[in-house]
Amino acid sequence: EVQLVESGGGLVQPGGSLRLSCAASGFTFSSYWMNWVRQAPGKGLEWVANIKQDGSEIYYVDSVKGRFTISRDNAGNSLYLQMNSLRAEDTAVYYCARALYYDNAGDNWGQGTLVTVSS
Amino acid sequence: QSVLTQPPSASGTPGQRVTISCSGGRSNIGSNYVYWYQQLPGAAPKLLIYSSDQRPSGVPDRFSGSKSGTSASLAISGLRSEDEADYYCAAWDDRLYSTLFGGGTQLTVL
Repeated sequence: EVQLVESGGGLVQPGGSLRLSCAASGFTFSSYWMNWVRQAPGKGLEWVANIKQDGSEIYYVDSVKGRFTISRDNAGNSLYLQMNSLRAEDTAVYYCARALYYDNAGDNWGQGTLVTVSS
Repeated sequence: QSVLTQPPSASGTPGQRVTISCSGGRSNIGSNYVYWYQQLPGAAPKLLIYSSDQRPSGVPDRFSGSKSGTSASLAISGLRSEDEADYYCAAWDDRLYSTLFGGGTQLTVL
């Protein structure tokens, strides 16, 4: 069974940093693109970033470029999102999701982890 | 404001057929596949349609997707109460190098 479990969310002050993790199991992690998608409270979905199977291609939404870094550890079956210079508008549930191709935001999703940016 | 445009709401009665539209541009829907996601209340999104018109295994054939030019549609036939959810379209954008989501459509089963 495919499982994606996010962790690392919490309350952080504006300008602060947070590192999200996503533990993958039940499939060959290194064969999939991986995505981060977020959802602000009561709002719609927003794609954040994705990373190719071997990490050689990475894409970000404009609003997080220069602040967020996506990475992966294929040996440890883990996906990460390093978030720096956090802003109130980054407050959201962050989902990790796997995909076979770069243009799919996710064919399987985790349950999400909540990030709250507030003083 | 989303680049992919969906109606904010839709509704239908049990057994009815409803369609949800998704409008984009040449650099996204016009050039790439469209994906549809279903998000039940309090749950994570679930892939409903991939490659514009393909259903993942386990998705009932009551759900179908189509694409024409820079627009796409999700059709749900034989509407059931458990279909009450938010539905999102998505497509890669060749100019932005990003996946774009529509604003979402809240489906109500009356």
